[in-house]
Amino acid sequence: QKEVEQDPGPLSVPEGAIVSLNCTYSNSAFQYFMWYRQYSRKGPELLMYTYSSGNKEDGRFTAQVDKSSKYISLFIRDSQPSDSATYLCAMDRGANSKLTFGKGITLSVRP
Amino acid sequence: DAGVTQSPTHLIKTRGQQVTLRCSPKSGHDTVSWYQQALGQGPQFIFQYYEEEERQRGNFPDRFSGHQFPNYSSELNVNALLLGDSALYLCASSSGQVISQPQHFGDGTRLSIL
Repeated sequence: QKEVEQDPGPLSVPEGAIVSLNCTYSNSAFQYFMWYRQYSRKGPELLMYTYSSGNKEDGRFTAQVDKSSKYISLFIRDSQPSDSATYLCAMDRGANSKLTFGKGITLSVRP
Repeated sequence: DAGVTQSPTHLIKTRGQQVTLRCSPKSGHDTVSWYQQALGQGPQFIFQYYEEEERQRGNFPDRFSGHQFPNYSSELNVNALLLGDSALYLCASSSGQVISQPQHFGDGTRLSIL
C-alpha cells in the first residue's frame, strides 16, 4: 500500500463547476499537507499549505484536512479553463522532511 | 525575486553516460531537495542538502549523488545512466530547520536516455 493515494483521473468538468480533489494517507506522522498545481512542462506550483485538521480558504480554493480519517481535499469553486492542470497532493512530517506525493490527477475545465 | 532556477532545461544522453544537473534556490532559502518525476507519476524524493551536507536520502541507488555549494546552489549527478532514469528532475528549495516551511519547485530538467 502506498503512503499517499490520490483519486485516479483524468477529470473533466464544465466551466463554473465545483471541483473536489481527494487524497488519503496511511502514515499518521504526516503533519503538513500541501496541494501543488503543475502545468504541462512546468514544475509544481504551491497552491495550499496547511497544518493539522480543519479548513483553509484562499480565493476560489479551499483545502480541507481530516487527520482522524487521514483524508485531505481540495475544492475549487467557479472553475476556469486556466485551472486545467495536474493537481498533486503532498505531505511531510515537518522540520523540512521529504515530501511524499500522490500520483496526481489531471483536471480539464471545458469552456 | 528570482524563484528556483534549474539548468539545463532538456538533456539527451545515452545509456552508460554521466550527467550533472544544476539548481539555484530561491533567494533566502538554504535547503535544497531533489525529486525525480516519471511520466504520469508524482515526484519521488531523491535527497536533501543543508549546510553542504546530505541530510536525508530517498530510495535511490548510489549512482545518484549530489553536492551543495556555500552559496546554497546544488548539483545532482547521475552515473551509469539507465533507460529508466528518463524523467523530469525537479529541484525544490526551502528555509528553516525548526518550523516547517513549504518547498518551492523549479521547472525541472527533462532528461531523456536513448
